[in-house]
Amino acid sequence: GAGVSQSPSNKVTEKGKDVELRCDPISGHTALYWYRQSLGQGLEFLIYFQGNSAPDKSGLPSDRFSAERTGGSVSTLTIQRTQQEDSAVYLCASSSSGQGIGYTFGSGTRLTVV
Amino acid sequence: QKEVEQDPGPLSVPEGAIVSLNCTYSNSAFQYFMWYRQYSRKGPELLMYTYSSGNKEDGRFTAQVDKSSKYISLFIRDSQPSDSATYLCAMSQGLGGNKLTFGTGTQLKVEL
Repeated sequence: GAGVSQSPSNKVTEKGKDVELRCDPISGHTALYWYRQSLGQGLEFLIYFQGNSAPDKSGLPSDRFSAERTGGSVSTLTIQRTQQEDSAVYLCASSSSGQGIGYTFGSGTRLTVV
Repeated sequence: QKEVEQDPGPLSVPEGAIVSLNCTYSNSAFQYFMWYRQYSRKGPELLMYTYSSGNKEDGRFTAQVDKSSKYISLFIRDSQPSDSATYLCAMSQGLGGNKLTFGTGTQLKVEL
């Protein structure tokens, strides 16, 4: 597609439920990143996929968070047993070569845990 | 202490003013410095990037990096209401596969 597409754009869930957030990167982009943006906290790195290499999971805040990327394209970020502190905007970005300068971000998924 | 510090604002200026946005950082390994602009309910978009120290100009925007002081700036000349957005600085140690470390963002409003 023309840009990075994320769905849903908004998600309200009850505490303790699992949620799945989806990211469709730009066609042909080999690198895909997930970031979390909380009020007053800036963007926090979560996970990075590059081609067929093992993902860099160093930013995932707990084992309730996981992500996968199928066929080198679409990625899903899963949060299990959601907590109120998980409420944030989850942003996905892709780039053609893994170079940080060439990131294109999606509009994000706004997650609210009630 | 955060690796990158940025005043969250909000910063309100009249149309036509020169705007100065700044970040400080603590990690001397950072080599690439970027400024992103984020409109409400949108993802950040890259405005400018600079490698190492120096200045870079693009239209009404000028980015400056002073590695000796660990201080970066973005100047906006002749500011317009359409410049109203949140500006985030970001930096990385390298290009390939490196995650970006972001500041918290400065909210800017340019008033008519």
